Amino acid sequence: NAGVTQTPKFRVLKTGQSMTLLCAQDMNHEYMYWYRQDPGMGLRLIHYSVGEGTTAKGEVPDGYNVSRLKKQNFLLGLESAAPSQTSVYFCASSHQARDRVSNQPQHFGDGTRLSIL
Amino acid sequence: GIQVEQSPPDLILQEGANSTLRCNFSDSVNNLQWFHQNPWGQLINLFYIPSGTKQNGRLSATTVATERYSLLYISSSQTTDSGVYFCAVAPNDYKLSFGAGTTVTVRA
Repeated sequence: NAGVTQTPKFRVLKTGQSMTLLCAQDMNHEYMYWYRQDPGMGLRLIHYSVGEGTTAKGEVPDGYNVSRLKKQNFLLGLESAAPSQTSVYFCASSHQARDRVSNQPQHFGDGTRLSIL
Repeated sequence: GIQVEQSPPDLILQEGANSTLRCNFSDSVNNLQWFHQNPWGQLINLFYIPSGTKQNGRLSATTVATERYSLLYISSSQTTDSGVYFCAVAPNDYKLSFGAGTTVTVRA
């Protein structure tokens, strides 16, 4: 059971280039999330999704777009990469609680290290 | 948004020592997780503990939700315990807010 898988693991981009990070989960989770981690800090939520075809903004959404066309995949796109987007990106997923109110633990992938020159 | 404060920011331990890490949060939560980020950058789930006490081997955690804090205990520390420990909380939604972490260094 792979859990949450992120591709690629490392990438170097030039300013202005575009790219897409892929997150795949095999746990049939309803919710998926994208976070970024900058040096010496905790993770910050970029975007999240509560189901197939739905996305919403998190704490730091500017400069990113997301799509959730399939339940198991959550894509994070950078249309025009900037040096400020150099970071480690983490994807996570979680179940929807039966009562649809309480939370369930989030499970994280191993991260993608992205450098923008 | 909710504020999460972790203390101490850094902790240096001799192998075999015990330690306590603290997480304070500013609002009621229905999700609290402790993570260990190892030297390779992987985030390892330690506990899902919005309230109560749990134990897993040498690690245990207690959350007192009414007083808005959680404690992570490391007993008989080993060099493999080194890394950054994060507390993350969510109020009445799905969005986790992370603390800045406690960097633990265990020396042989």
